[in-house]
Amino acid sequence: QSALTQPASVSGSPGQSITISCIATNNDVGSYNLVSWYQQHPGKAPKLMIYEGSKRPSGVSNRFSGSKSGNTASLTISGLQAEDEADYYCCSYSSSTTFVVFGGGTKLTVL
Amino acid sequence: QVQLQESGPGLVKPSETLSLTCSVSGGSISSFNYYWAWIRQPPGKGLEWIGNIFYGRTTYYNPSLKSRITISVDTSKNHFSLRLSSVTAADTAVYYCARRAFGVVTLFDYWGQGTLVTVSS
Repeated sequence: QSALTQPASVSGSPGQSITISCIATNNDVGSYNLVSWYQQHPGKAPKLMIYEGSKRPSGVSNRFSGSKSGNTASLTISGLQAEDEADYYCCSYSSSTTFVVFGGGTKLTVL
Repeated sequence: QVQLQESGPGLVKPSETLSLTCSVSGGSISSFNYYWAWIRQPPGKGLEWIGNIFYGRTTYYNPSLKSRITISVDTSKNHFSLRLSSVTAADTAVYYCARRAFGVVTLFDYWGQGTLVTVSS
């Protein structure tokens, strides 16, 4: 059982903004600024989109942003585009479970 | 540009040992700046971290798999390997290798394309 809970699915229309939440069942998200977010298109390897909560790797669009509030991390995608349709996974350090844990994933549908 | 490529059998029998290798190109596996990781994804399911190795042989394993896992590195071949013993159908998954930043345990910046391993008799 994952220690990080994500909604199974979210959807939005092109141009809109959506937010995906990642809620920790313990205090690891709040205690450590180590949440990362990964985008995965069908049949492809995950791609790093956000690390250390809110930092973007080089080459990732600034339409992607990350934040944290208490024990909840969030990924916001603004100006939705068709190419954003994918699965998104949060990832955090967990001192009490498995060292590195992934959320269950959220399927983003662009309507 | 760093590239990672998994290789190994696509079919393993129950109770046997799964062995995979990740070849790294475009960068040295001996770098002090990175760990090297294995992550898997059962069909239709989410990601599961398996473990990391530092070139100096320091390893960290998922506690739920620790008794069955060995991750090793071969600096002469610039590759690292995964061995998972006593496999069952539950170990059927796409196995990814990835590069992890030294100071950030959740930062996996380069991934292999993944290789599907099916456990079946």
